Amino acid sequence: GAGVSQSPSNKVTEKGKDVELRCDPISGHTALYWYRQSLGQGLEFLIYFQGNSAPDKSGLPSDRFSAERTGGSVSTLTIQRTQQEDSAVYLCASSLALGGLEQYFGPGTRLTVT
Amino acid sequence: AQSVTQLGSHVSVSEGALVLLRCNYSSSVPPYLFWYVQYPNQGLQLLLKYTSAATLVKGINGFEAEFKKSETSFHLTKPSAHMSDAAEYFCGLTGGGADGLTFGKGTHLIIQP
Repeated sequence: GAGVSQSPSNKVTEKGKDVELRCDPISGHTALYWYRQSLGQGLEFLIYFQGNSAPDKSGLPSDRFSAERTGGSVSTLTIQRTQQEDSAVYLCASSLALGGLEQYFGPGTRLTVT
Repeated sequence: AQSVTQLGSHVSVSEGALVLLRCNYSSSVPPYLFWYVQYPNQGLQLLLKYTSAATLVKGINGFEAEFKKSETSFHLTKPSAHMSDAAEYFCGLTGGGADGLTFGKGTHLIIQP
């Protein structure tokens, strides 16, 4: 079946612009996660959704980052007023439910802020 | 708090030799442990997982890992390396609750012909 998909695969943006990154989880997966992968920080967990709800936003790097999920499916990670330190690969994952189950990862969106 | 330490940012082995990638963890609750592989410009692919059942876990592509609570380790092994195993490997941990995975820094596996 179809895996987790993310779009765009690559995004180059100018410092100060807003960007939206999209994640389509595996059908039927209620849990969705966002991670950031960068050279300096490795793989960082950002936020998770159970259904459309994100109970804990403390992992988001700054208040310029926000995420939403609608219809229990597609999720969007928005970065406002991008900075060069936001350059990274943003990975999305989904799992059947919360609670230690394996997460299936998408191919990621490579964001470059110039 | 939880953390994952992968010893060795780069590991080089000869084709056909044993692969051993080390992972140690720290967790205040019984952990769920995972190994993922990442090929260039791709996402992470699950190799295997430990979820409190058998301590020796077999995964895809001939990999296996053993959970040792006394050593807080979850090392990944493969008896005979293949050129196609060259990739980045990540050990990850979750407490089983509503949290994301905590990953180690990754180990880049190099296979020498």
